[in-house]
Amino acid sequence: DSGVTQTPKHLITATGQRVTLRCSPRSGDLSVYWYQQSLDQGLQFLIQYYNGEERAKGNILERFSAQQFPDLHSELNLSSLELGDSALYFCASSPSMTGELFFGEGSRLTVL
Amino acid sequence: QQQVKQSPQSLIVQKGGISIINCAYENTAFDYFPWYQQFPGKGPALLIAIRPDVSEKKEGRFTISFNKSAKQFSLHIMDSQPGDSATYFCAASNGRGSTLGRLYFGRGTQLTVWP
Repeated sequence: DSGVTQTPKHLITATGQRVTLRCSPRSGDLSVYWYQQSLDQGLQFLIQYYNGEERAKGNILERFSAQQFPDLHSELNLSSLELGDSALYFCASSPSMTGELFFGEGSRLTVL
Repeated sequence: QQQVKQSPQSLIVQKGGISIINCAYENTAFDYFPWYQQFPGKGPALLIAIRPDVSEKKEGRFTISFNKSAKQFSLHIMDSQPGDSATYFCAASNGRGSTLGRLYFGRGTQLTVWP
């Protein structure tokens, strides 16, 4: 158990809809990263927050947004969903300055 | 454009054998190279990592070999065991401090170790 909790584990929705994925990092970790894993693209970095502030941005679509709250949990919002957004979305947290990522078990999104 | 290229895509090794997975990169700004292991239904977990100031790092049966001039690094798993059967990802980062976890991953290698 990595100590990172992601909900929901599975989500099935329709095109055009909006979903929110939630992540609780390990106790004490200030950094939260979001990654997308798909057969087409592999593991791709989406966005990082550090102590409530956006710190780095990767290949995140404009339809996607994220935030980190004062209690350090994070949410990834996916809107106007398309079939191609079907993927496994991982949240990872990290102790400051170490680079080691602790991944949750992921949220599997299926868009029909 | 894949920043880190990984091969092979899949690998089958007999128990007790050596598993070797290779990765290559182009961005010379990368200076942190971790390997992650992922079991089905789980998130990736850090296995071992190396910085470019050393050419080799060993932790138990796992060794990273790093060739800075060739921009290549590899994972060697000695005495491979059925429990090592998983997907292995190499990665690279040019982050600093709190952004060190911003990783570029290879496409993964599915390792199967036969008993």
